[in-house]
Amino acid sequence: GENVEQHPSTLSVQEGDSAVIKCTYSDSASNYFPWYKQELGKRPQLIIDIRSNVGEKKDQRIAVTLNKTAKHFSLHITETQPEDSAVYFCAAKGSGTYKYIFGTGTRLKVLA
Amino acid sequence: EAGVTQSPTHLIKTRGQQATLRCSPISGHTSVYWYQQALGLGLQFLLWYDEGEERNRGNFPPRFSGRQFPNYSSELNVNALELEDSALYLCASSLFSGSGSDTQYFGPGTRLTVL
Repeated sequence: GENVEQHPSTLSVQEGDSAVIKCTYSDSASNYFPWYKQELGKRPQLIIDIRSNVGEKKDQRIAVTLNKTAKHFSLHITETQPEDSAVYFCAAKGSGTYKYIFGTGTRLKVLA
Repeated sequence: EAGVTQSPTHLIKTRGQQATLRCSPISGHTSVYWYQQALGLGLQFLLWYDEGEERNRGNFPPRFSGRQFPNYSSELNVNALELEDSALYLCASSLFSGSGSDTQYFGPGTRLTVL
């Protein structure tokens, strides 16, 4: 069945460094890939997304890259700040099924 | 614009009971998704409703069911509760499935505890 693998499960970086989280999906028909940030006790918030017809998208310090051939996509956060500390989830949406499969999450800790 | 709302915030039940969780989507959104987020795990897709009909469901037993009302709000019912049903249940809404917009917006969740 459909599956999304997310790595690493935990990530600690020094403030100002970059953080990279990677996801691999199994359904080659997936066409939409959002990333969500979930702070402790709060709802997941969309931070960036990318569609299958685009290879890269950037929004200030956050960027997402997509490699359709390899079926993986990555979240890049530059110049990390303590407020970036949270759990990040990737997801892949199947074309036609509208079913979102989420990764298991990455707990990012930015050390001041 | 009001976001997705869910009620109740917390729900405590005993094993074997039934739980009912409610979700109100963002105004104008017709699609509602339900997810289960167990402690330490990711979001597991439960159900998707669009225009009042169940469009897809995840790998959960039939005792997880729900419905969507004419005003697009939705209800998730969990029958014969088991201890492992304890989790945060998140609802998300998006524009209708044919809109080309895929963005989901999440509610704050209902924390279900089964004793």
